[in-house]
Amino acid sequence: EAQVTQNPRYLITVTGKKLTVTCSQNMNHEYMSWYRQDPGLGLRQIYYSMNVEVTDKGDVPEGYKVSRKEKRNFPLILESPSPNQTSLYFCASSASLTAGVDTQYFGPGTRLTVL
Amino acid sequence: AQSVTQLDSQVPVFEEAPVELRCNYSSSVSVYLFWYVQYPNQGLQLLLKYLSGSTLVKGINGFEAEFNKSQTSFHLRKPSVHISDTAEYFCAGGTSYGKLTFGQGTILTVHP
Repeated sequence: EAQVTQNPRYLITVTGKKLTVTCSQNMNHEYMSWYRQDPGLGLRQIYYSMNVEVTDKGDVPEGYKVSRKEKRNFPLILESPSPNQTSLYFCASSASLTAGVDTQYFGPGTRLTVL
Repeated sequence: AQSVTQLDSQVPVFEEAPVELRCNYSSSVSVYLFWYVQYPNQGLQLLLKYLSGSTLVKGINGFEAEFNKSQTSFHLRKPSVHISDTAEYFCAGGTSYGKLTFGQGTILTVHP
């Protein structure tokens, strides 16, 4: 089954404790991205990647890191989480190299709470 | 720069009634427009998209949307909703060289 998987689905942590949210897709997609969803703000892009070893900032990259060492994986790293990073996070992928023209396939989401 | 605005944050409606979820966009270049749906505790999935051609686009689950260039709108409609249509709906716009910009979301609640 074609899908995007994320782990963990739920995470409660404390300020400053490094964490990683994993994302994997099995569709051989070139483009992958991370979004955060906050009430009343819709989805905002954090980082995106157009290929292995190619990543770039989205609209709200501060406090986040990503890496793309393999085509299928795109982990999101919070080196020192803060309470304002409490949010619902989605990983997405698409076949096209630009998100603006192609269907995005979303993972199930990771609900992160930073105390 | 481009922006996408969903005009209603919440839309309550009774089962079997028609519904329209409104979306306006602004862009100085050609845009591609999408509607995504998010059911409770799930990720987003594509309802429909407009890339070019016919301005009336049909999607899954009986939804359709009309691209109106003069009014810069891409409203989503369904003639008769079901309880199972209760979800949050997102309008999004993209360009061929840029990223996708999402609207703020509209929560559709269908009452029996």
